[in-house]
Amino acid sequence: DADVTQTPRNRITKTGKRIMLECSQTKGHDRMYWYRQDPGLGLQLIYYSFDVKDINKGEISDGYSVSRQAQAKFSLSLESAIPNQTALYFCATSDPGHLNNEQFFGPGTRLTVL
Amino acid sequence: RKEVEQDPGPFNVPEGATVAFNCTYSNSASQSFFWYRQDCRKEPKLLMSVYSSGNEDGRFTAQLNRASQYISLLIRDSKLSDSATYLCVVNMNTGFQKLVFGTGTRLLVSP
Repeated sequence: DADVTQTPRNRITKTGKRIMLECSQTKGHDRMYWYRQDPGLGLQLIYYSFDVKDINKGEISDGYSVSRQAQAKFSLSLESAIPNQTALYFCATSDPGHLNNEQFFGPGTRLTVL
Repeated sequence: RKEVEQDPGPFNVPEGATVAFNCTYSNSASQSFFWYRQDCRKEPKLLMSVYSSGNEDGRFTAQLNRASQYISLLIRDSKLSDSATYLCVVNMNTGFQKLVFGTGTRLLVSP
């Protein structure tokens, strides 16, 4: 079983709709992240969380919100989706004690906003 | 200037070839450097870390030049399975160890 899972894997929605992307992990890591990836751009950090009570904005948080329901779960919401939020979204986890601060990514959610 | 810059490629090479990618970073205070590999439509995965003294893992060699602020990845004896996008990643050494990802260099290895 995958250590970091994301649901849904693909989603097509319409402008103005609310949508939630979910991430779960079995790695026992405290740190979790949400990124988006667009063609020709590097991964951009949307939000990150160091534990259940700690939520922080990343570079491009406008239009997004998150919820850390438990150590293992970190959800990303688009309150009112717009077409330029069409992208590939990745959740990731890390352990601050890990030598390389390696981040482990979920398989991604491909979101299309029409 | 972008924080991390890479040549997007694609680099088209035959099997068995040696290929090198470079990456430059803007923050001279950066402390940690990595190469991640991303297959088409898949998630990035850590390929290797980059140490000041240079490091090798099988056919892959990574080097760091702090004075010029660039990182390199050398792949020897390319395999078809090496076809992927290679992401240069820099730990900006901010309060929370932020990772900044380059846009990636695409490698295509052909028979």
